[in-house]
Amino acid sequence: QLQLQQSGPGLVKPSETLSLTCTVSGGSITGSYWTWMRQFSGKGLEWIGYIYHSGSTTYNPSLGSRVTLSIDLSKSQFSLKLRSVTAADTAVYYCVRHRGDSRFDLWGQGTLVTVSS
Amino acid sequence: DIQMTQSPSSVSASVGDTVTITCRASQDIRNWLVWYQQKPGKAPKLLIYAASNLQSGVPSRFSGSGSGTDFTLTIDSVQPEDIATYFCQQASTFPYTFGQGTKLQIK
Repeated sequence: QLQLQQSGPGLVKPSETLSLTCTVSGGSITGSYWTWMRQFSGKGLEWIGYIYHSGSTTYNPSLGSRVTLSIDLSKSQFSLKLRSVTAADTAVYYCVRHRGDSRFDLWGQGTLVTVSS
Repeated sequence: DIQMTQSPSSVSASVGDTVTITCRASQDIRNWLVWYQQKPGKAPKLLIYAASNLQSGVPSRFSGSGSGTDFTLTIDSVQPEDIATYFCQQASTFPYTFGQGTKLQIK
């Protein structure tokens, strides 16, 4: 059964880069839109963007040029980098599988990332 | 961005009641509407996709309907394990956006 396992630091300093990785196990990394979402402490959810196995990406314009998604097919991993973070980026970050028909059916366990010095 | 407005923000129901949660989009999203259930400390769980398709493994007491701008999540015969926050999300137009959530409590 396909699973998503997130890894990465839970504390990032202001102005630095948030980096998270999601490992896909038990199934193929091809054929889906690998997505990142985040949830703020007030419970609001935000879609960050996705990367397809081909490497094509779409990002939320609200994050401007700060965000980059990448994928490593050989390791069955996809990653998020968010640069120049501030306290407003403090949130629980989730990696998610989107099967392309509005079916966001598989979520990682979530990583609480706190931006603080 | 498309604004998603959920109502009510909270609802209290007795076991066995029928609960209806609505989600309105600020523009036509056809049927690209998703419903999630989230319990404390857990990731959201997919309930309904494409407005009315029940995700595999989700109890049949959950159902979704609607198209265009107005959508509904219905829970028939609410059970204690349904205590959670429910979110809608549009998957029609980038950036995908979410409703603010509806908290379901049991009386």
